[in-house]
Amino acid sequence: DIQMTQSPSSLSASVGDRVTITCRASQSIRSYLNWYQHKPGKAPKLLIYAASSLQSGVSSRFSGSGSGTDFTLTISSLQPEDFATYYCQQSYSIPHTFGQGTKVEIK
Amino acid sequence: QVQLQESGPGLVKPSETLSLTCTVFGGSMNSYYWSWIRQPAGKGLEWVGRIYSSGTTNYRSSLKSRVTMSVDTSKNQFSLKLNSVTAADTAVYYCAREVLNAFDFWGQGTLVTVSS
Repeated sequence: DIQMTQSPSSLSASVGDRVTITCRASQSIRSYLNWYQHKPGKAPKLLIYAASSLQSGVSSRFSGSGSGTDFTLTISSLQPEDFATYYCQQSYSIPHTFGQGTKVEIK
Repeated sequence: QVQLQESGPGLVKPSETLSLTCTVFGGSMNSYYWSWIRQPAGKGLEWVGRIYSSGTTNYRSSLKSRVTMSVDTSKNQFSLKLNSVTAADTAVYYCAREVLNAFDFWGQGTLVTVSS
């Protein structure tokens, strides 16, 4: 199975901050990398697919980059509604695997 | 707008079978993969397996001997059965649609507790 490792596991940030979350795959997954936002009690929400494509309806303050084994999710200006846990997920091979999550908290 | 809704018992006894159904509203099931994903309390997301609209399945290898998925496109439903459950199977279970290799629509999730 491909292992996905996110860093950091958690971070504290203020509204308006630029936030960067990284995800590393245990082997090359080309651009088969997706990012999700998850709030307690709600369904996870797809933000970015294929490493850098913005899902329809998602704010342009979210962006993704990377290929191969190293990927980044950037929130350009953190908003109050962005406090949540973020997961990366590879779809290069079965089983699909997720990172352990990055919890973004209010500073 | 596509919506998914999980249903099934919230409590299952150890060694018995967990059975969940996901109903798809607002869209066809045809030509998509449909997945089950779970999240134990305090842990991350774990993909359980998927079924294509034609019935082809892929399962997580560690669960393969205990999992069965089925689909009924006439009812816009797909199902998960996990037998011989233990406390380790206690989790919030989500169903999701896969398109372009990503999960674009998810259910709200349903908590299944394994306990006697």
